[in-house]
Amino acid sequence: RKEVEQDPGPFNVPEGATVAFNCTYSNSASQSFFWYRQDCRKEPKLLMSVYSSGNEDGRFTAQLNRASQYISLLIRDSKLSDSATYLCVVNILGDMRFGAGTRLTVKP
Amino acid sequence: SAVISQKPSRDICQRGTSLTIQCQVDSQVTMMFWYRQQPGQSLTLIATANQGSEATYESGFVIDKFPISRPNLTFSTLTVSNMSPEDSSIYLCSALGTLNTGELFFGEGSRLTVL
Repeated sequence: RKEVEQDPGPFNVPEGATVAFNCTYSNSASQSFFWYRQDCRKEPKLLMSVYSSGNEDGRFTAQLNRASQYISLLIRDSKLSDSATYLCVVNILGDMRFGAGTRLTVKP
Repeated sequence: SAVISQKPSRDICQRGTSLTIQCQVDSQVTMMFWYRQQPGQSLTLIATANQGSEATYESGFVIDKFPISRPNLTFSTLTVSNMSPEDSSIYLCSALGTLNTGELFFGEGSRLTVL
């Protein structure tokens, strides 16, 4: 089983849609959790950290369920500029492990 | 934040040769890492670059193939040795930010094509 697994995607949604990505991790020693965004031919950049209490940043909401070892990212009111690959990242004892990424395309 | 510069940004190399990628961070950072991203894939950790000592390699990666140096807290190199077409990939340098947020910063990557 992979350490970090994500929805395979791709997700193709119209502008304004709400889309949710899921991610599961296998190591219960995982310490911290993140969503990164990677645009085509660019390096990954932090989108948001994920906290146990859940956190929101504008149109983006991240949730963590430690009991189920599950992380989610919700994007509301999708914009064309949200088109990218979203990477679930888990810090396992100091090592950052990346999921395979979920590709999102937002269409007019 | 940390600004990371990598060079070369891209290169085309012949089979059997070696290429060294340089990574420069604009501030002192404790943790630096090298990742590989093959076409259409996510990032795979190659190794943690340790300052003043041998790098810590992940399973499937060995020092003879990917020697790494880290002479100080702002600089590291990764060498891809005796290259084959299977080594064609993007190699990314990253550093853990100094604010203890757990954020990883990345260089723009070095796109390597081996013929």
